[in-house]
Amino acid sequence: AQTVTQSQPEMSVQEAETVTLSCTYDTSENNYYLFWYKQPPSRQMILVIRQEAYKQQNATENRFSVNFQKAAKSFSLKISDSQLGDTAMYFCAFIPTQGGSEKLVFGKGTKLTVNP
Amino acid sequence: NAGVMQNPRHLVRRRGQEARLRCSPMKGHSHVYWYRQLPEEGLKFMVYLQKENIIDESGMPKERFSAEFPKEGPSILRIQQVVRGDSAAYFCASSPVKQETQYFGPGTRLLVL
Repeated sequence: AQTVTQSQPEMSVQEAETVTLSCTYDTSENNYYLFWYKQPPSRQMILVIRQEAYKQQNATENRFSVNFQKAAKSFSLKISDSQLGDTAMYFCAFIPTQGGSEKLVFGKGTKLTVNP
Repeated sequence: NAGVMQNPRHLVRRRGQEARLRCSPMKGHSHVYWYRQLPEEGLKFMVYLQKENIIDESGMPKERFSAEFPKEGPSILRIQQVVRGDSAAYFCASSPVKQETQYFGPGTRLLVL
């Protein structure tokens, strides 16, 4: 079974500081995409960052970066210079690229609070 | 380019009624996905459709739930004879091709009284 585990149900960080959210996954596939989505209080699902498993270089989007460790099946999200608007639920997800599956598999989420 | 549109944003139904949820994908996107989010949970896949075809409905309950994506118009997720356990947020996502990033709509919050 393909699963995603986010071991931190809740986290908090002070504004302007750095925080890292953890994610591990389990799959027998060799090729897949990994994602972090953000769900603010508005409940909209917003794509934060995407990583292709075949790429060794870690993806970066402005203040957001990932630490992708394929052998360990780990995909953590680092948020630098945290802002109040980063307060949200963060979901890790993956989708295999082989076998024709189009299902995104989500973790249960980490609730991040950025404190002023 | 408008994002994925969903309506209604909030829907209240009494037990036994029908719920119809609509999703218009992003312009140029022909792949539509429906997910359900129960309180305090992540999203769970329900169904994947392309125009006029259901490709994968492995996550959809066998009874009372159906989905379509007609040649013209939005994708519809239909829940017949709703029960309280159907109360959840239902998200639609779209992508331009297979194996591409899925972009989500704002969701429909269904409350069954």
